[in-house]
Amino acid sequence: QSVLTQPPSASGAPGQRVTISCSGSSSNIGSYPVHWYQQVPGTAPKLLIYDNNQRPSGVPDRFSGSKSGTSASLAISGLQSEDEAVYYCAPWDDSLNGVVFGGGTKVTVL
Amino acid sequence: QVQLQQSGPGLVKPSQTLSLTCAISGDSVSSNSAAWNWVRQSPSRGLEWLGRTFYRSQWYSDYAVSVKSRITIIPDTSKNQFSLQLNSVTPEDTAVYYCTRGWNNFDYWGQGTLVTVSS
Repeated sequence: QSVLTQPPSASGAPGQRVTISCSGSSSNIGSYPVHWYQQVPGTAPKLLIYDNNQRPSGVPDRFSGSKSGTSASLAISGLQSEDEAVYYCAPWDDSLNGVVFGGGTKVTVL
Repeated sequence: QVQLQQSGPGLVKPSQTLSLTCAISGDSVSSNSAAWNWVRQSPSRGLEWLGRTFYRSQWYSDYAVSVKSRITIIPDTSKNQFSLQLNSVTPEDTAVYYCTRGWNNFDYWGQGTLVTVSS
């Protein structure tokens, strides 16, 4: 049971916009930047967004992140079939003195 | 381009020590700006950060509370690699283990090693 809460699933048709939430507390999201990872089954997670809203080189600008208080969100606009994956949020947590991962949200492209 | 290449056994007996190594290319384990981590993933526990080692004029390590009494992450500057040792394993430690680079976000990952704890 993660200290971060993500919806287990989200879906949308190609071209639509999907938003994934990540709810935490003052010991994690409320105090530290949030990072997001994308994981396609059978592969290692890939850094998608760092420091709340920054994209690493090569990540399409269809992906965007935001944070407010103790919650964060990942938005995928112009949904494509290749976006089918599991998405995880992951800030540092003071209480656990380490990085914590959300439970993951599986995105399905209808 | 940074690459992380993992090696180590895929089967460990209960109560024994799990040992994995991560060889680094394109960066240095002694970098003053990087940290080197181990993360594992299982269906029951999801993604779980285990710990990190880093060099800032001397070597430091941080470990997750959940494994702190059983884990050691060791840098090897002569081979530019770092290793994970997890003692007294149980079937609950069965997972895919990844090595990663990053301070608190992880931009490079190893290929993953499935480690099964079973007699």
